[in-house]
Amino acid sequence: AQSVTQLGSHVSVSEGALVLLRCNYSSSVPPYLFWYVQYPNQGLQLLLKYTSAATLVKGINGFEAEFKKSETSFHLTKPSAHMSDAAEYFCALGESGGYNKLIFGAGTRLAVHP
Amino acid sequence: GAGVSQSPSNKVTEKGKDVELRCDPISGHTALYWYRQSLGQGLEFLIYFQGNSAPDKSGLPSDRFSAERTGGSVSTLTIQRTQQEDSAVYLCASSLSGEGAGELFFGEGSRLTVL
Repeated sequence: AQSVTQLGSHVSVSEGALVLLRCNYSSSVPPYLFWYVQYPNQGLQLLLKYTSAATLVKGINGFEAEFKKSETSFHLTKPSAHMSDAAEYFCALGESGGYNKLIFGAGTRLAVHP
Repeated sequence: GAGVSQSPSNKVTEKGKDVELRCDPISGHTALYWYRQSLGQGLEFLIYFQGNSAPDKSGLPSDRFSAERTGGSVSTLTIQRTQQEDSAVYLCASSLSGEGAGELFFGEGSRLTVL
């Protein structure tokens, strides 16, 4: 069965520090993988996605993620955190060849402190 | 409108009452999804509509939940005889098509509180 696990429901970093949000997946077919971000009182918006082209995917706001098949991971990183990055981040899994019935992880709330 | 619109944004109801939640997707998007977001549990898939095809209802948690999409546009999610465990944020999303890895565009959600 397909599943997504996000390690750490809360992550706190200092402004300017590296951001690392972890996502592991389980899928019996080649996956599509996504990171969505939800700012307070807003809907989710797409940060980036992996669709079997380049394994290192760059997204908006300086975020990037690397698909590692051997580790079944798709961790999200940003070299230097900004206060405006404080939000909840969701990793999601879809099936290649299927439709967009995404399986979401439980989310990681990122706090950025001065 | 420019984005996915949901109403009401907040709904407080008493246990046992029926509620209707509305979603107006982005114009031209053929695919529409409902998800439920419970505290600390991520997003749970409920139902998917694609054009005139039969909807995928595999995520609906019980027969108290139903949804329809009229004219390939607006969708209504109905919860009958609400229970306290139905309290959550109900998110609607639409995408240009349901295939491949297209981006889902989410509304801001309808927060349901069942007393």
